[in-house]
Amino acid sequence: DAKTTQPTSMDCAEGRAANLPCNHSTISGNEYVYWYRQIHSQGPQYIIHGLKNNETNEMASLIITEDRKSSTLILPHATLRDTAVYYCIVRPRRMEYGNKLVFGAGTILRVKS
Amino acid sequence: EAQVTQNPRYLITVTGKKLTVTCSQNMNHEYMSWYRQDPGLGLRQIYYSMNVEVTDKGDVPEGYKVSRKEKRNFPLILESPSPNQTSLYFCASSRQGVDYNSPLHFGNGTRLTVT
Repeated sequence: DAKTTQPTSMDCAEGRAANLPCNHSTISGNEYVYWYRQIHSQGPQYIIHGLKNNETNEMASLIITEDRKSSTLILPHATLRDTAVYYCIVRPRRMEYGNKLVFGAGTILRVKS
Repeated sequence: EAQVTQNPRYLITVTGKKLTVTCSQNMNHEYMSWYRQDPGLGLRQIYYSMNVEVTDKGDVPEGYKVSRKEKRNFPLILESPSPNQTSLYFCASSRQGVDYNSPLHFGNGTRLTVT
């Protein structure tokens, strides 16, 4: 599976957009980019995923570069409750061995008032 | 509400006393799995199941057992718990297909302490 690189931590002002980068330079054409977050020892929460097109849902937007070597998760109006560890995960499209996710260290996002 | 439910949320036990952590999902998902989370080691997969009566080892299966007799339930069994199994445990589920694009849904966790 392709490896991902994320900054260790980031700060964001409440109400501003939070832009979380992720590098996945060895991603292959049949691998998805998934984003999860974990709020203080709760279960990881699914945010969004994409293959090559930009995606948006009620929680966030995912921007994937044209060469697919990096992506950015955007929380448009961050709130204090968005303070969490954010994980960028590359997952194979084919699931012969099940839906296994390999979690790295993630980015600690601190939203400050 | 679609959810993965784990019980108990907190459990303190002694070495060698068998215990079971239950996991149930109401989304009719085929795939279920267990992870443990430890400081500095992140989340690691223990066991997974692609459907009823089909289970397989993940990355750290030693000391654990699972069963999948029904689609909705996937209990984690520690026959003889040891202190190194003190951890935060998560159950997760998703739809399953060979070429399927399906997010994992996680439960809220079980914090286990073995003394």
